[in-house]
Amino acid sequence: QKEVEQDPGPLSVPEGAIVSLNCTYSNSAFQYFMWYRQYSRKGPELLMYTYSSGNKEDGRFTAQVDKSSKYISLFIRDSQPSDSATYLCAMRDGAGSYQLTFGKGTKLSVIP
Amino acid sequence: DVKVTQSSRYLVKRTGEKVFLECVQDMDHENMFWYRQDPGLGLRLIYFSYDVKMKEKGDIPEGYSVSREKKERFSLILESASTNQTSMYLCASSFPGGLEGNTIYFGEGSWLTVV
Repeated sequence: QKEVEQDPGPLSVPEGAIVSLNCTYSNSAFQYFMWYRQYSRKGPELLMYTYSSGNKEDGRFTAQVDKSSKYISLFIRDSQPSDSATYLCAMRDGAGSYQLTFGKGTKLSVIP
Repeated sequence: DVKVTQSSRYLVKRTGEKVFLECVQDMDHENMFWYRQDPGLGLRLIYFSYDVKMKEKGDIPEGYSVSREKKERFSLILESASTNQTSMYLCASSFPGGLEGNTIYFGEGSWLTVV
């Protein structure tokens, strides 16, 4: 069983739609959860991070973590064509670790 | 703004050539990483370094070596390039552990084609 599972898509939505991106994981030691956005032919950039369970909101983006289900989500409200990118989830365990385990990414297209 | 700079964006090399990919970060980060990214395989860690002259193998170190002589610079070396090393290579850096360690900053990537 892979440590982090992420649906690769592609996911295509109309402009203005609410987008839900998800990852599941198997390692219960993971405590820090991140979402990266990667535009075509660019490096990933950190979008959001959360610690343990709960929600975090930043503008049109909401990150949600459910540790009991080992499930994390990223919601994008009022999606824009500029949100078209690949979204990677990443996670790691306690403070002593500095390596991240990445999902393979979901490719999102927002159609004007 | 944090900057991780990969000096070469696009390279074409011949099989058997020795290839150097250079990376420089300007945030005084202790940790530096080299990943490769391939369609369907995601990001795979090749090597990482947590201090000058220190290195540890990642998931796919075969065919690669690294050098970290200065804190800000981390080089990836392909001793004898092969066609299966055609890929996008990403350098990254971060602080060690703690909350800051979450924030791994990536460079723009180096697209290597081995012919």
